Amino acid sequence: GDSVTQMEGPVTLSEEAFLTINCTYTATGYPSLFWYVQYPGEGLQLLLKATKADDKGSNKGFEATYRKETTSFHLEKGSVQVSDSAVYFCALGSGSQGNLIFGKGTKLSVKP
Amino acid sequence: DGGITQSPKYLFRKEGQNVTLSCEQNLNHDAMYWYRQDPGQGLRLIYYSQIVNDFQKGDIAEGYSVSREKKESFPLTVTSAQKNPTAFYLCASSIVGPGNTIYFGEGSWLTVV
Repeated sequence: GDSVTQMEGPVTLSEEAFLTINCTYTATGYPSLFWYVQYPGEGLQLLLKATKADDKGSNKGFEATYRKETTSFHLEKGSVQVSDSAVYFCALGSGSQGNLIFGKGTKLSVKP
Repeated sequence: DGGITQSPKYLFRKEGQNVTLSCEQNLNHDAMYWYRQDPGQGLRLIYYSQIVNDFQKGDIAEGYSVSREKKESFPLTVTSAQKNPTAFYLCASSIVGPGNTIYFGEGSWLTVV
């Protein structure tokens, strides 16, 4: 079945460091891909998405490119801030019902 | 403001009791979902509904029940049959169809005491 694998955390970075969180997927067809962010004690918020191969999603300085050849959707940011500290989830849209399949999440901590 | 409202935020349940988590949305979405979140395990789908009076089991439906009597509402009951109900529960909604963004509520913490 469809699945998502993302790098395990926690990831600890200093402010202004470069961030990469790896995400790979297994799916039939051409699913949409998503990154969600969860701040402590809150629900999930959509960070960015891409719906077809070679699409680049971007938001708030974060970017991810849908790579069909490597089945990947890695999240990147050039310069992280303390306020980026959160848990990040990679997800794919599975099947006709629109449900999402999530990775296990990667906790990011950014130190001043 | 449009959004998804979950209540209560925190709930304590004694063993053997059923509890119901409320979820209301005013986004005019046809599809609604319930996910369970445990530390280090990501989110797992409990139930989903694409239309009023119809719903389907997700990956971990055992010990849970839902109803969808109104488009705006999708309550989740955690029954006494659920062996390990302590978790963070997230309600979500979306437009029906693949690739659409799913929007989440703020979540409800359930603790068994």
